[in-house]
Amino acid sequence: GAVVSQHPSRVICKSGTSVKIECRSLDFQATTMFWYRQFPKQSLMLMATSNEGSKATYEQGVEKDKFLINHASLTLSTLTVTSAHPEDSSFYICSARDIGRSTDTQYFGPGTRLTVL
Amino acid sequence: SQQGEEDPQALSIQEGENATMNCSYKTSINNLQWYRQNSGRGLVHLILIRSNEREKHSGRLRVTLDTSKKSSSLLITASRAADTASYFCATINNAGNMLTFGGGTRLMVKP
Repeated sequence: GAVVSQHPSRVICKSGTSVKIECRSLDFQATTMFWYRQFPKQSLMLMATSNEGSKATYEQGVEKDKFLINHASLTLSTLTVTSAHPEDSSFYICSARDIGRSTDTQYFGPGTRLTVL
Repeated sequence: SQQGEEDPQALSIQEGENATMNCSYKTSINNLQWYRQNSGRGLVHLILIRSNEREKHSGRLRVTLDTSKKSSSLLITASRAADTASYFCATINNAGNMLTFGGGTRLMVKP
């Protein structure tokens, strides 16, 4: 149980286009999901906290107009990278917290590799 | 912001040897967690140790926590080639419930 999926797993796009990444909790409900970015050989940096039915909370330095987050249901959060540029190329990982379990428990998706040409 | 620092950043050992990774953090914590990440993949939760615990075991994993020094260690005993991965510590502080990750240790176990 406690599986989180991400789609797509890889995406290549042209500079200036927008890309949507989905994060789904498959067998549990998640009122809170987290979006992370990871550059090669670096750690995960929290970008934003996504709360179902309300606006996302962004970390300092993360542009909310560039990284649009929507958490419309208890099982789905989406991250849209708008007007993507090569510097946005990264590995994006989401995690979800199971509302039926301890707040310490987060389950991670497999990640989405974004390459912007 | 990244709270923890891990050392070493990279570790290369032979199969069968033990691997020890250290993590330090800055603020008071509720708990500390260790994760594993295979190259280009998501994270797998390994073990959680609470602030009132000093040591915890899970199979070949042994985690210690020293809150006075704000540090933790992860020991993998009798390592296997399949243990090759990056290992991250992450903390949840008393004020919130967000995970803050350390820099990670890249472990390579040679067969």
